[in-house]
This record gives sequence, C-alpha cells and structure tokens, in this order.
Amino acid sequence: GENVEQHPSTLSVQEGDSAVIKCTYSDSASNYFPWYKQELGKRPQLIIDIRSNVGEKKDQRIAVTLNKTAKHFSLHITETQPEDSAVYFCAASVRGKSSGDKLTFGTGTRLAVRP
Amino acid sequence: EAQVTQNPRYLITVTGKKLTVTCSQNMNHEYMSWYRQDPGLGLRQIYYSMNVEVTDKGDVPEGYKVSRKEKRNFPLILESPSPNQTSLYFCASKREPSDTQYFGPGTRLTVL
Repeated sequence: GENVEQHPSTLSVQEGDSAVIKCTYSDSASNYFPWYKQELGKRPQLIIDIRSNVGEKKDQRIAVTLNKTAKHFSLHITETQPEDSAVYFCAASVRGKSSGDKLTFGTGTRLAVRP
Repeated sequence: EAQVTQNPRYLITVTGKKLTVTCSQNMNHEYMSWYRQDPGLGLRQIYYSMNVEVTDKGDVPEGYKVSRKEKRNFPLILESPSPNQTSLYFCASKREPSDTQYFGPGTRLTVL
C-alpha cells in the first residue's frame, strides 16, 4: 500500500519568515495530494490540494509543489503569522472511479510561529 | 448549517464492552470515512464508504466494523474494544473523490 513520509516533525520559525514542509510517497499511482491544518483541539481542515497533472498551486500565502518523478510534494507558507501555528498533515491517494477512496496521511508537522 | 456530527464526543469504557460511535452528515455526501489519530502516527484511515451499502477497508480496519444503511449515517462499531483502540476518532465526508473532505469534531475514546 501507499506510504507517506513527512518532514520535519517539528518546525519553529520567526513571524514573517517562510516555512516549508516536505512529504514523499511510495505509490506512483497516487494522483491526489491534499494538505490539512489542525489547530490544537480542533478537527483537521483542508487548506490546499494538488492533482498530479499540476506541478504547483498557490492560494495567497500558501503554495504546494509536486515532483512526480521524485515522488515528493511540499507545502510552502510565506510571511508566516502566529495564527499559522498548528499541526500540518500531508496525504496521498489514488483518485478514480475504480480506485476506492483510500487516503494515506503523513505523520504531521507541528509548526510554531514565534512572534 | 452543513456539518458532520459524531456521538459521543468522549467515552471511557472497559475491555470487551461493545460500543458504537455514530456519525451523521447533512450534506448529502456520497463518500464517508473513519480515521483514528494517535500521537506520532498522524491520521490513519479505518474504513471508508463510497455509497449506501458500499464499504471497504482502509489501512487499519482490524477490530472495527462499519455499516452504511443510509446515506447520511456511517456508524463505527467496536465489537470487543481493547486498550490499543484508545484513540481520537474522526469521521469525515465529501461529495466526490477529489472534493473537500469535511471532518466531524472527533470522539475521544479510552478503553481501560
């Protein structure tokens, strides 16, 4: 089955700096890569996702890049703010009518933004 | 208000006592899933359902059962809970495979 590795497990940055979280996946058939943010005591929420036919996607201060050849994808947060402090999870799955709905998550990155 | 609800939110039980965690969504979503979250392990999918009466195993299905008799409900059943099933459980739903997945508020289960 799919295996997703996520690094680093913890990340501390100064407010205003950029943060980068990296994930690798094992199943070359994976074609959908969402990122979730989970604040303390809350439920995970989707913040951005990318499909394998796209190399990069941006949404304001957040961007995700995908390298299918190397089987890795990254989350980039620019101009970090204290409210970006949370645990971030990457995930990977194969999307298709006959592929089921399995979603494999990374182990999470705890991001702390220092004021 | 569009939402996914879970009950109970907190549960302490003893080994071997059957329990059910309910999950309901009011968004008419086809797809529903159950996950467990453990420190250092992230979220792991237990079971998923792509429609009524269609369910399949995720990565960690052992010790769990599910059913999908109605579109809106997707209960998680632990026939004989054990301490290693102590965890935070999330139900989630979405309209299509690549659509935004909405999580419920979570159920914290402790098995003594």
